[in-house]
Amino acid sequence: EVQLVESGGGLVQPGGSLRLSCAASGFSFSTNWMTWVRQAPGKGLEWVANIKQDGREANFVDSVKGRFTISRDNAKSLMYLQMNSLRDEDTAVYYCVGATGMAYWGQGTLVTVSS
Amino acid sequence: QAVVTQEPSLTVSPGGTVTLTCGSSTGAVTSGHSAHWLQQKTGHAPKTLIYDTGNKHSWTPARFSGSLLGGKAALTLSGAQPEDEADYYCLLLYSGAWVFGGGTKLSVL
Repeated sequence: EVQLVESGGGLVQPGGSLRLSCAASGFSFSTNWMTWVRQAPGKGLEWVANIKQDGREANFVDSVKGRFTISRDNAKSLMYLQMNSLRDEDTAVYYCVGATGMAYWGQGTLVTVSS
Repeated sequence: QAVVTQEPSLTVSPGGTVTLTCGSSTGAVTSGHSAHWLQQKTGHAPKTLIYDTGNKHSWTPARFSGSLLGGKAALTLSGAQPEDEADYYCLLLYSGAWVFGGGTKLSVL
């Protein structure tokens, strides 16, 4: 059974940092691009970032460039999203997505940025 | 970054056919945009139905199909069922980065 389990969400003040983790199992993690997608409360989906199989290439939405970094540990089937200088508008459920055709989605972890 | 446009809402009768479209601010949508279509029901994580324009996952009902139509990506639902009522999002690829459309709320009435 394929599982993507996000963790690390929570309440953080503006300007603070959080690191999200995504634990993958049940599919070939190391041979797939992995992606983070977020959804603000009551809003649509927003693609945030992705990372290539070997971790040497990554892409980000303009609004998080310079603040967020993405990484992965293929030996442990883990992906990370380091979020710095957080803003109110980063408040969202963050989903981990993977495999060909963005087949697999986690259940999401809620990040709330508020003072 | 590019803007991806979708119809905000559509309604289809049970058993009917409806086409949702996905346009790009940069011009015609092509196979290079690797269009994906996702379904999201209230309170649930999204589910990807279509990838790379017209490919289906094993869980995608046969009544859903993806294509390119008139310079846009299209998702056609033939024989709508009540359980198809949901939000549908398209996703397009632009040189390594992806952009979602704003979503279409599909009602089956």
